[in-house]
Amino acid sequence: NAGVTQTPKFRILKIGQSMTLQCTQDMNHNYMYWYRQDPGMGLKLIYYSVGAGITDKGEVPNGYNVSRSTTEDFPLRLELAAPSQTSVYFCASSYLQGYAEAFFGQGTRLTVV
Amino acid sequence: QQQVKQSPQSLIVQKGGISIINCAYENTAFDYFPWYQQFPGKGPALLIAIRPDVSEKKEGRFTISFNKSAKQFSLHIMDSQPGDSATYFCAANPPSGAGGTSYGKLTFGQGTILTVHP
Repeated sequence: NAGVTQTPKFRILKIGQSMTLQCTQDMNHNYMYWYRQDPGMGLKLIYYSVGAGITDKGEVPNGYNVSRSTTEDFPLRLELAAPSQTSVYFCASSYLQGYAEAFFGQGTRLTVV
Repeated sequence: QQQVKQSPQSLIVQKGGISIINCAYENTAFDYFPWYQQFPGKGPALLIAIRPDVSEKKEGRFTISFNKSAKQFSLHIMDSQPGDSATYFCAANPPSGAGGTSYGKLTFGQGTILTVHP
């Protein structure tokens, strides 16, 4: 069982470039999330989705966009990359609302230079 | 405020010792408090979780203590082992919104880097 799979694992972007971070899960989970992790700051929620076609902003959505065309996939789009977006990005999913375990991918380490 | 404050930022413990990590929250509507463990190069993974209707939950060497009146909860790792060396995050489930569900969104603490020396 693959769980939550993120690609790529590492990426270096130049300022102003764009890219899409891919996330797919094979657990048929309704809820999916994108978090960013910065040293000493914990994880901050960027966007989340409660099902195909339904997305909403989290705590730090500026500079990002998402889409959810299928239950399995939840890509995160960075437009006009900025140094402030240098971070480790984690995709996660969960089945039930409220108290269900969130399953995380292995992360994408992004550096914007 | 939706913050969860975690301390210490880093912790060094000898093998066999007790590791204690503390978290404090402000929003009394939080109603689910998980701890996640993260090894280098990996995503966080659920370690143990507690609801505010109990004051303590134990799973093996890991115990959560919860103090609802003080709005604090802590993770105790008994007989700490080098394999426990990792980053630990406390988290809280935010309150339900107008739609009556929080959609599983988590508010995380800042993280604690635990090092257990052999």
